[in-house]
Amino acid sequence: GEDVEQSLFLSVREGDSSVINCTYTDSSSTYLYWYKQEPGAGLQLLTYIFSNMDMKQDQRLTVLLNKKDKHLSLRIADTQTGDSAIYFCAERGGSYIPTFGRGTSLIVHP
Amino acid sequence: EAQVTQNPRYLITVTGKKLTVTCSQNMNHEYMSWYRQDPGLGLRQIYYSMNVEVTDKGDVPEGYKVSRKEKRNFPLILESPSPNQTSLYFCASSQGTHGYTFGSGTRLTVV
Repeated sequence: GEDVEQSLFLSVREGDSSVINCTYTDSSSTYLYWYKQEPGAGLQLLTYIFSNMDMKQDQRLTVLLNKKDKHLSLRIADTQTGDSAIYFCAERGGSYIPTFGRGTSLIVHP
Repeated sequence: EAQVTQNPRYLITVTGKKLTVTCSQNMNHEYMSWYRQDPGLGLRQIYYSMNVEVTDKGDVPEGYKVSRKEKRNFPLILESPSPNQTSLYFCASSQGTHGYTFGSGTRLTVV
């Protein structure tokens, strides 16, 4: 079945850029999402991109999609301590059913 | 405010005592889903529902039941809870392509 892979941890210094990577296997993926989970909370949709786009920017967030390599990334510019959270990549094809990665824990240290 | 509401937030119960976790959404979403989150395993889908009276198994349905009698509600039922169902549970809903709205989670401990 479809699979979504992410590295489990990323540690960055405050003020640096963070890049969280994700790979997926479903060639029919139409929509790709990034969710953020803060401690003790549910997942919150951060941004999403359609498969016919290469890039989407929203303030400090930049999403890059390489459809040929099935690679999605989330770049957070000027990372702050409030960005510390677990970030989930998800993809879905024609159905409503998304496939989630296991999440990347972003740790921001001073 | 558009939201998914789960209750309770925390629950400690004993093995074998039936329980229900409620989930309600106020966005008129057709699609609803239940997930459990365990350390190192990410999110695993338990059941989902495409619309009223339409439910289907996800990846880990054993030991769980659901119902979708109304569009807004999608309760998760554990008929006979066991310790391996100790987990963090999330309900979510969506409509179209705009991603999920998640509830705040229910932390269940079965002793």
